[in-house]
Amino acid sequence: DAGVIQSPRHEVTEMGQEVTLRCKPISGHNSLFWYRQTMMRGLELLIYFNNNVPIDDSGMPEDRFSAKMPNASFSTLKIQPSEPRDSAVYFCASSSRSGYNQPQHFGDGTRLSIL
Amino acid sequence: DQQVKQNSPSLSVQEGRISILNCDYTNSMFDYFLWYKKYPAEGPTFLISISSIKDKNEDGRFTVFLNKSAKHLSLHIVPSQPGDSAVYFCAARRDRDDKIIFGKGTRLHILP
Repeated sequence: DAGVIQSPRHEVTEMGQEVTLRCKPISGHNSLFWYRQTMMRGLELLIYFNNNVPIDDSGMPEDRFSAKMPNASFSTLKIQPSEPRDSAVYFCASSSRSGYNQPQHFGDGTRLSIL
Repeated sequence: DQQVKQNSPSLSVQEGRISILNCDYTNSMFDYFLWYKKYPAEGPTFLISISSIKDKNEDGRFTVFLNKSAKHLSLHIVPSQPGDSAVYFCAARRDRDDKIIFGKGTRLHILP
């Protein structure tokens, strides 16, 4: 049973470049979440989708960040242009809404370094 | 404004003893609480949860206690094992809300 799959696992790029992070949720899950983890702020929610529709993007730090979910099996988080302060670990998680209080299942994250 | 607080960044416990991880929250609308465990280079994994209608939930070596009046919950691990060394995140959500709010985590070291 495949879990949440994120790619790439590591990304190192120079500031100003576009960065695209990818996520494949668990099949059958209809909620998808993007998180960012930093030492200072811990694990913070950036945006989440229900049935491919963005529900809450209040955690997206600024307009340089955008996220899409074109279908139930794929989502992207894009940063353009990237800045050194965007360096962090980005996690994708998915959950099912078929039952009450279903836990979120996380991918192993993308470690992003902006030079 | 941190709604879920884990005030101990790290904790060291002897193998075989009890580990107690604490968590405080400020939002009285939270009604469901979760603990996640995270190993290095991996994503957090769900460990145990508790609804606000209960004050205790047990799963094997793991027990979560909830004190609603104090807005406090704790995770007990008995007995502690080397594989329990990880970062533990406390999290909370409001009724029917998809969003969960995480604390900053506590790093647990199990000493041999």
